[in-house]
Amino acid sequence: AQSVTQLGSHVSVSEGALVLLRCNYSSSVPPYLFWYVQYPNQGLQLLLKYTSAATLVKGINGFEAEFKKSETSFHLTKPSAHMSDAAEYFCAVRNNNAGNMLTFGGGTRLMVKP
Amino acid sequence: DSGVTQTPKHLITATGQRVTLRCSPRSGDLSVYWYQQSLDQGLQFLIQYYNGEERAKGNILERFSAQQFPDLHSELNLSSLELGDSALYFCASSPPGSGGGNTIYFGEGSWLTVV
Repeated sequence: AQSVTQLGSHVSVSEGALVLLRCNYSSSVPPYLFWYVQYPNQGLQLLLKYTSAATLVKGINGFEAEFKKSETSFHLTKPSAHMSDAAEYFCAVRNNNAGNMLTFGGGTRLMVKP
Repeated sequence: DSGVTQTPKHLITATGQRVTLRCSPRSGDLSVYWYQQSLDQGLQFLIQYYNGEERAKGNILERFSAQQFPDLHSELNLSSLELGDSALYFCASSPPGSGGGNTIYFGEGSWLTVV
């Protein structure tokens, strides 16, 4: 069975500070990993995904994530936070098996202080 | 805009009633997924269809059912509604081929409030 743990349900940073959102996964087979963002009253938008190519993945809006197999992690980072980054972020894992649905973590709400 | 269309956007109904949520996937996508998002349960996978056939089932209650039609749109039917069914219901779709690396695209969701 696959699962995702996101450490910290709420993270607060100052504008211009580094954003680090943590994600650890559990999977019995090499995973595909995703980060989605949900702005208030909106659907889920894909930020980036890891599909076994480069371990450092760059996404939209200046975000990137690094796949570390030894640590079973896929943390999301952004060098400098903007006010517009305030949203909820979800890490998800997906296996290439029957159904291959996404299994989501509990989400991390990012707050950006001026 | 993800290209996944869900209707209605908001729905308020009474306990015991039945509602139908509708989803049109992105053009060319064969897979449709339904997810439920609530404060206490987070994002839960309900069910997946692929080209009209049920592919996988998650934490879907027996009071809930879904189907995918020949034109690939999908409906999620929720019956005997309870207060705890109040949630945001997402439909998502993904293209055929390339397995788990494909992106799954989400609609904006249908807000269901049961009173």
